[in-house]
Amino acid sequence: AQSVTQLDSHVSVSEGTPVLLRCNYSSSYSPSLFWYVQHPNKGLQLLLKYTSAATLVKGINGFEAEFKKSETSFHLTKPSAHMSDAAEYFCVGPNRDDKIIFGKGTRLHILP
Amino acid sequence: DAGVTQSPTHLIKTRGQHVTLRCSPISGHKSVSWYQQVLGQGPQFIFQYYEKEERGRGNFPDRFSARQFPNYSSELNVNALLLGDSALYLCASSLVASGSNSGELFFGEGSRLTVL
Repeated sequence: AQSVTQLDSHVSVSEGTPVLLRCNYSSSYSPSLFWYVQHPNKGLQLLLKYTSAATLVKGINGFEAEFKKSETSFHLTKPSAHMSDAAEYFCVGPNRDDKIIFGKGTRLHILP
Repeated sequence: DAGVTQSPTHLIKTRGQHVTLRCSPISGHKSVSWYQQVLGQGPQFIFQYYEKEERGRGNFPDRFSARQFPNYSSELNVNALLLGDSALYLCASSLVASGSNSGELFFGEGSRLTVL
C-alpha cells in the first residue's frame, strides 16, 4: 500500500503567488516525511524533512511544510512562487517495510 | 566533500544484454539504496543495502540484483535487458537503514540507461 499520496499531478501558479502542493500519508504512527525537488535533467535535492521535533518545518528556498496528524497531511507551501521553482516535487516517506518510498510527484508550472 | 557518485552517467544497451551500474556513497554512509525512475514517474525502490547486507527489496524481477562491497560502494546488475528497463537509475546513500528513523537520502545524479 502506498505510504504517501500526492493529490495533484500538475499544479500551475503565477509568479509571485502562493504555492500549495498536497501530500497525504498513511501510517498508524508519526513517520519521518520528506519533500524532494527534481529540476529537469538534475538529481534529487532535499527540500525539507519532518522528524517529529516540530510540526512546522522550514526548508530551503522559502519552502515550508506543516505536519497535521489529524488530517494525515504534509502539504508543501511557499508564499511567493519564483520562475526557478518550476520542477517536479516528490513527497517521500517510509512504507510498512520501513523503506523510503516516493509519491508519484507533482509537476509545478510557474506562469509569468 | 564528495557527494554520491554514480557511473556511468549514460549508456545504451540492446535487448538481452547485461548492465552493471556503480555507486559510491558519501564517506561515512553505510547504507545504499537503488531506485528506478522511468520517464514521467517517481522513483521506484529497488534495493537497500546496509553494512553489506540486503535490507530491502522492491517489486522487481530476479533479473535485478545488487551487492555492496566492504568500502560500502555498490553495484546494481540487470540481466536480460528489456525495453522497459530504460530509465534513470538513482543511487542514494544514508547514515541509517531505517526509513522511519530520519533516514534522509542523499542522491547521486543517476545513470541513464537506454535499451534499444
